[in-house]
Amino acid sequence: NAGVTQTPKFQVLKTGQSMTLQCAQDMNHNSMYWYRQDPGMGLRLIYYSASEGTTDKGEVPNGYNVSRLNKREFSLRLESAAPSQTSVYFCASSERWSSGNTIYFGEGSWLTVV
Amino acid sequence: TQLLEQSPQFLSIQEGENLTVYCNSSSVFSSLQWYRQEPGEGPVLLVTVVTGGEVKKLKRLTFQFGDARKDSSLHITAAQPGDTGLYLCAGGRFGNEKLTFGTGTRLTIIP
Repeated sequence: NAGVTQTPKFQVLKTGQSMTLQCAQDMNHNSMYWYRQDPGMGLRLIYYSASEGTTDKGEVPNGYNVSRLNKREFSLRLESAAPSQTSVYFCASSERWSSGNTIYFGEGSWLTVV
Repeated sequence: TQLLEQSPQFLSIQEGENLTVYCNSSSVFSSLQWYRQEPGEGPVLLVTVVTGGEVKKLKRLTFQFGDARKDSSLHITAAQPGDTGLYLCAGGRFGNEKLTFGTGTRLTIIP
């Protein structure tokens, strides 16, 4: 079972470049999320999609955009990368939009902006 | 503003010892989850507690939700090297379904 698959796993960008992180889940989940993880900061929610066709901002949305392409796929785009966006990015999904639900995470994407 | 503070931030102990890590907040949560994350991987859910005072056991791991639903603890008995990892708590708040993650406790068990 693949679960949550995200690509690429590693990426180095120059300041000002753009890129898209891709994410797909095969569990027929309704809700999908993008988090970033920084040392000492835990996981912070960037954007989420409670259900297909909807997206909303999380705690740290500035500098990012998302697209819920279909029920399976949720992409994260950096339009003009900045060094402050150097981080590990996790895509995740859950059966439904509820805080008591199990969230399943991908393996992470390591992004460095130089 | 970090709503969930975990302590200690780092913990390194010998195999066979017992340990407790804490997750504290001034806010009330409707549910509290604990995740474990190993290097190079995403977090994996260990447990969800939803009732104040609730205690759940998962083999050598005991999770407790505070009576006032503001804090939680994770106790590990006879720690094993396989327990090594980053432990994250995450709280769900009434009327706001977005989870808030704690800062994490990085646990190392020395064989």
